[in-house]
Amino acid sequence: EVQLVESGGGLVQPGRSLRLSCAASGFTFDDYAMHWVRQAPGKGLEWVSGISWSGDSRDYADSVKGRFTISRDNAKNSLYLQMTSLRAEDTALYYCTKNFLMTTGVGHTFDIWGQGTMVTVSS
Amino acid sequence: SYAMTQPPSVSVSPGQTASITCSGDELGDKYVNWYQQKPGQSPVLVIYEDVKRPSGIPERFSGSNSGNTATLTISGTQAMDEADYFCQAWDSSTAAIFGGGTKLAVL
Repeated sequence: EVQLVESGGGLVQPGRSLRLSCAASGFTFDDYAMHWVRQAPGKGLEWVSGISWSGDSRDYADSVKGRFTISRDNAKNSLYLQMTSLRAEDTALYYCTKNFLMTTGVGHTFDIWGQGTMVTVSS
Repeated sequence: SYAMTQPPSVSVSPGQTASITCSGDELGDKYVNWYQQKPGQSPVLVIYEDVKRPSGIPERFSGSNSGNTATLTISGTQAMDEADYFCQAWDSSTAAIFGGGTKLAVL
């Protein structure tokens, strides 16, 4: 069964850091680009960041550029999101998602989603 | 920055056809994907690259994209189709952008 399981969310104060992890199983992880997409409570979806299968290409939404860093460890079938200088507006459910098609780049279509990990930024 | 607009809500009677639109400047020049999200669940990809259906998605789901508007059409709408639907656009120079979402009510 194809599965993505996120972890690492929690309550954090503004300005602090947090690292999210995503464990993948059921597919050949290093064949696919991966992404983080977030959803604030009661709101819509926002793409946050994506990384190519090799890790050579990374892309970020303007809202997180310079503060968040995406990375992956293909040997561990894992995806990460290092979040620094967190703000109240970063409060959201963070989904780990798999790119639908194999591509050399970051990709833009998300077919498998985890259940999400909640990040709350508040003092 | 690029933005897309969806109607907040659409209502349809069971068995009828539902159309959910997504509007953006020259949207037809980009690829559009559609996602379905039911309450408390993660999104599901239902249409990709404007018109294609992933494996396992019922044939009643179809898509189109031309000019400034992309449309998700659900033929013979069923109660189980009641959900939020999000369009998402991309091209070679645009990061993935989501529309605000449309709540489909099957009444």
